[in-house]
Amino acid sequence: DGGITQSPKYLFRKEGQNVTLSCEQNLNHDAMYWYRQDPGQGLRLIYYSQIVNDFQKGDIAEGYSVSREKKESFPLTVTSAQKNPTAFYLCASSSYGSYNEQFFGPGTRLTVL
Amino acid sequence: AQSVTQLGSHVSVSEGALVLLRCNYSSSVPPYLFWYVQYPNQGLQLLLKYTSAATLVKGINGFEAEFKKSETSFHLTKPSAHMSDAAEYFCAVSEIGYTNAGKSTFGDGTTLTVKP
Repeated sequence: DGGITQSPKYLFRKEGQNVTLSCEQNLNHDAMYWYRQDPGQGLRLIYYSQIVNDFQKGDIAEGYSVSREKKESFPLTVTSAQKNPTAFYLCASSSYGSYNEQFFGPGTRLTVL
Repeated sequence: AQSVTQLGSHVSVSEGALVLLRCNYSSSVPPYLFWYVQYPNQGLQLLLKYTSAATLVKGINGFEAEFKKSETSFHLTKPSAHMSDAAEYFCAVSEIGYTNAGKSTFGDGTTLTVKP
């Protein structure tokens, strides 16, 4: 079945450590997105990529980094510079010509202790 | 610039009652509009979308939404609520470029509670 996978489902890290969240899709979608979700604040865009080897900052990119070396993969690194990293992180993808209908992964809940 | 406002962060209805979740948008170009549903600790799932065809859009699970340009609204309705409809609902607007997939702006979400 085609879809988006995110791993792990739950992640715990100590303050000051970098952590990388995985996102893989087998939908052959060109564009991929990372969102952060906090209670009552909806989805906020962190980074997005329209094509391999290219990505753009979203609304809250500070303290995060990404790479897009393969079409199917878009990992997100939460760095120690992110002041409040505890949140639910969602990865999504869409294809050209789809009006930006987005397909979402199951999410990763990151807790920084 | 595009934006979405969902009126009411929490809506509570009785089972069998009408569901109405409100969404107003702002967009500098003709919008493409979406409703997504999210169950606890899961990703979002598309309910329905408006892409400039029919103004009344039908989606999954008996939901529908009507695009009203004059009111810049895209409210979500369901005639009869079911317990399984309890979830968080997000309205989104997207703008696309001619050579890319574009990006979406999401509202803050509305939590729907269904009382037995």
